[in-house]
Amino acid sequence: DVKVTQSSRYLVKRTGEKVFLECVQDMDHENMFWYRQDPGLGLRLIYFSYDVKMKEKGDIPEGYSVSREKKERFSLILESASTNQTSMYLCASSSADNSPLHFGNGTRLTVT
Amino acid sequence: AQRVTQPEKLLSVFKGAPVELKCNYSYSGSPELFWYVQYSRQRLQLLLRHISRESIKGFTADLNKGETSFHLKKPFAQEEDSAMYYCALMVNSGYALNFGKGTSLLVTP
Repeated sequence: DVKVTQSSRYLVKRTGEKVFLECVQDMDHENMFWYRQDPGLGLRLIYFSYDVKMKEKGDIPEGYSVSREKKERFSLILESASTNQTSMYLCASSSADNSPLHFGNGTRLTVT
Repeated sequence: AQRVTQPEKLLSVFKGAPVELKCNYSYSGSPELFWYVQYSRQRLQLLLRHISRESIKGFTADLNKGETSFHLKKPFAQEEDSAMYYCALMVNSGYALNFGKGTSLLVTP
């Protein structure tokens, strides 16, 4: 069974801090994704990656960056956290075009 | 741009009643559509996809290209069906999913 692991379940950071959210998948998937989930807004795509060192902007990339140095790991970086980035962050992976996404448990980030 | 529309934020039905969660999409290509479900305190998981044409946990969804819809249906709702349901459309050459805003289904006894 595919396992997508997000390193933290809950995270509290202060405004202006640099924040790293880590995600690891164990199924050798090519594609990895970062979404944020907000009530009433659903899931919105921040960034995705279809290969090591490759990245593509999603619908809401502003204020975020990503890193994919190894196939199994995809990091989301908030360069300078702001209160409007308080949200649930979901990582996902998939094996190839048109294959379903597998999600992690999520990281609930609070920026104070 | 929002490509997937789920018009109902909340849907409440009685146990045993039929349920239909609506999903409409906007996409000029050949759509690849999914329904995902998130039960309380669990991760988001795939419920079904239109190309597999299968029934999962009694749920079915038919792609209607004329009405650009992919509604999720179940003839007899169960309490354990209470969850958040998201309709999703695959875009960007098959990499990412574009999600609707979700419908919270509550099945009451």
